[in-house]
Amino acid sequence: QVQLQDSGPGLVKPSQTLSLTCTVSGGSISSGAYYWSWIRQHPGKGLEWIGYSYHSGSTYYSPSLKSRVTISVDTSKNQFSLKLTSVTAADTAVYYCARYVTGNFDLWGRGTLVTVSS
Amino acid sequence: EVVLTQSPDFQSVTPKEKVTITCRASQSIGSSLHWYQQKPDQSPKLLIKFASQSFSGVPSRFSGSGSGTDFTLTINSLEAEDAATYYCHQSSSLPQTFGQGTKLEIK
Repeated sequence: QVQLQDSGPGLVKPSQTLSLTCTVSGGSISSGAYYWSWIRQHPGKGLEWIGYSYHSGSTYYSPSLKSRVTISVDTSKNQFSLKLTSVTAADTAVYYCARYVTGNFDLWGRGTLVTVSS
Repeated sequence: EVVLTQSPDFQSVTPKEKVTITCRASQSIGSSLHWYQQKPDQSPKLLIKFASQSFSGVPSRFSGSGSGTDFTLTINSLEAEDAATYYCHQSSSLPQTFGQGTKLEIK
C-alpha cells in the first residue's frame, strides 16, 4: 500500500529556510486526483494546514504562510517538498506530509519535528 | 476563513461509555466535515469523511452526523484504545481549517 515518509533537518537556524521532503512509496505521485500536502502541529497544539500541490504544479497555500511557502512535486523522484523561508521560533513544530483526496487527508507521514533555534 | 469550534476540549470517560464530541462551524459548510483521531506521538488518522461516511478499516463504534454548521462524532461503547485527541476538519473552502481538538482520557 501507499506510504509517505517525511525527512529533513530537525534543527534550523532563525532567518534560514526550512526544507522537508516527503517520499511516496507503493504508488505513483502522478496517479489519481491527489493533492500532496503539508500540515504542521505546534508543540501541544492543534493542526495547521500549510498548503498542497497537484502533481501538475497547481498549488494552494494558507494565506498566513503564503509569502514564505513553496510546495513542489518531483514526479521523477516520486517526492514532494516543502520550503519555508525566514523561519522564526514560531515555526517550531512537527511537520506532516499528507495525501489529500476529494476533501480529506486520507494518508499521513509520521511527522518530523523541526526546531528553530540558533 | 471557516472557524471550527469543538466541545468539549477534554473529557474523562470510562470504558463502554458512549461519547459525543461536537464541532460547530462559523458558517455553513454543507457536509464537508471530516474527523481524525490522533494518539500520542502518532500522526492523525482519518475516521469519518463527509460528516457521516466511515473511512475504510475504522471500527463501527465510530459514527458521525450533521450538516451545515453543527456536527457530531459519536463513539459507542468506548474502548481503552480510543484514548486520543480528536479533530474535526473542513474542506468546504480555503484555507482548510481544523478544530482545536478534543482530548479523551480513559478512566
